[in-house]
Amino acid sequence: GAGVSQSPSNKVTEKGKDVELRCDPISGHTALYWYRQSLGQGLEFLIYFQGNSAPDKSGLPSDRFSAERTGGSVSTLTIQRTQQEDSAVYLCASSPRRGNEKLFFGSGTQLSVL
Amino acid sequence: KNQVEQSPQSLIILEGKNCTLQCNYTVSPFSNLRWYKQDTGRGPVSLTIMTFSENTKSNGRYTATLDADTKQSSLHITASQLSDSASYICVVRVNFGNEKLTFGTGTRLTIIP
Repeated sequence: GAGVSQSPSNKVTEKGKDVELRCDPISGHTALYWYRQSLGQGLEFLIYFQGNSAPDKSGLPSDRFSAERTGGSVSTLTIQRTQQEDSAVYLCASSPRRGNEKLFFGSGTQLSVL
Repeated sequence: KNQVEQSPQSLIILEGKNCTLQCNYTVSPFSNLRWYKQDTGRGPVSLTIMTFSENTKSNGRYTATLDADTKQSSLHITASQLSDSASYICVVRVNFGNEKLTFGTGTRLTIIP
């Protein structure tokens, strides 16, 4: 597709369950980012990929959060044993390369943990 | 204290009127500042980028300013339209040679007919 695609767009899960969120970046974009947006808060950085490697994982809030990227393209963010405080919009963005490039965002996944 | 502060938090104006959104930052060393527009249920979309040497830049009805000395930026919207209703987010990049971005919490703008 022409833009960054995220799935699912909405996810409702029970506390304690694991969830996987998927991001398809724009073709050819080497940099990929995951952010979390809570109501009334600014975007919170989670993790950055350059190709398949993640030089910056500093934003992952706990070891329940992990992410991988395969083939320099699709990325999956996994949250294990979800908690209610994990409820937020998870946004993925990509850019052509690292540096001062603008980010192209997907529409996000709205995660609700009951 | 957030290193990128935006004001007002929310703003309601009549269609056709002008408005100005503010962004003050403390992060350094400064690399660039971007304004993003985020429609409800969508991801942010870049409107404009301001680098250290730029004071003002226009993109249609949007005009951004930057004062790197006082670490302030503004986004002025002229002749507002209903489609301008969105959140406007200020994002500052620091010049560490990495991907560090600091996001403001945004201004929620509502245009009413």
